[in-house]
Amino acid sequence: DAKTTQPNSMESNEEEPVHLPCNHSTISGTDYIHWYRQLPSQGPEYVIHGLTSNVNNRMASLAIAEDRKSSTLILHRATLRDAAVYYCILVSGSARQLTFGSGTQLTVLP
Amino acid sequence: DAGITQSPRHKVTETGTPVTLRCHQTENHRYMYWYRQDPGHGLRLIHYSYGVKDTDKGEVSDGYSVSRSKTEDFLLTLESATSSQTSVYFCAISEGRGARETQYFGPGTRLLVL
Repeated sequence: DAKTTQPNSMESNEEEPVHLPCNHSTISGTDYIHWYRQLPSQGPEYVIHGLTSNVNNRMASLAIAEDRKSSTLILHRATLRDAAVYYCILVSGSARQLTFGSGTQLTVLP
Repeated sequence: DAGITQSPRHKVTETGTPVTLRCHQTENHRYMYWYRQDPGHGLRLIHYSYGVKDTDKGEVSDGYSVSRSKTEDFLLTLESATSSQTSVYFCAISEGRGARETQYFGPGTRLLVL
């Protein structure tokens, strides 16, 4: 399985943008890049996914490098509620499970 | 909100006793999953189901069985609970196809086996 590498932790100030990086140098051509997050004491929550083009939804934006070996999840204006562990996951067409790594613990400072 | 509930939300049991966890969904999704989450291991797939009476094993299926007699319910059974099965258990459903499939998780069940 293609692996992802994320920083263990990041901090951001409230109401400022946050850029969460993810490296996936062994990504295959058909792997989608998915992001999930897990708030304290809750189940993981789907955030966004993409293949090649940048993607936007109501929660975040996903910027994918042209060579697809890295991506960045962008929270445009962090709130205290965005404090969570963020997971970058590669999903292939044949996968039946999500492989969660250790993710990035995002702390949002008031 | 994907309409997923889990019961019980918390349970304490003793080693050797059987335990059944229930996952209930209200939106007729075909695929359902059971994961466990432990410190240092992240989430790991136990079993999944792709329809009524259709199930398959995941990464850590030993010591667990599942059943799905109705679309809306997916049961996880620990036949004889052990302390190593102390964990947080999450149920999930999925939407979409192939690599675009996204999963939606329930609130979790915290299980303590003494």
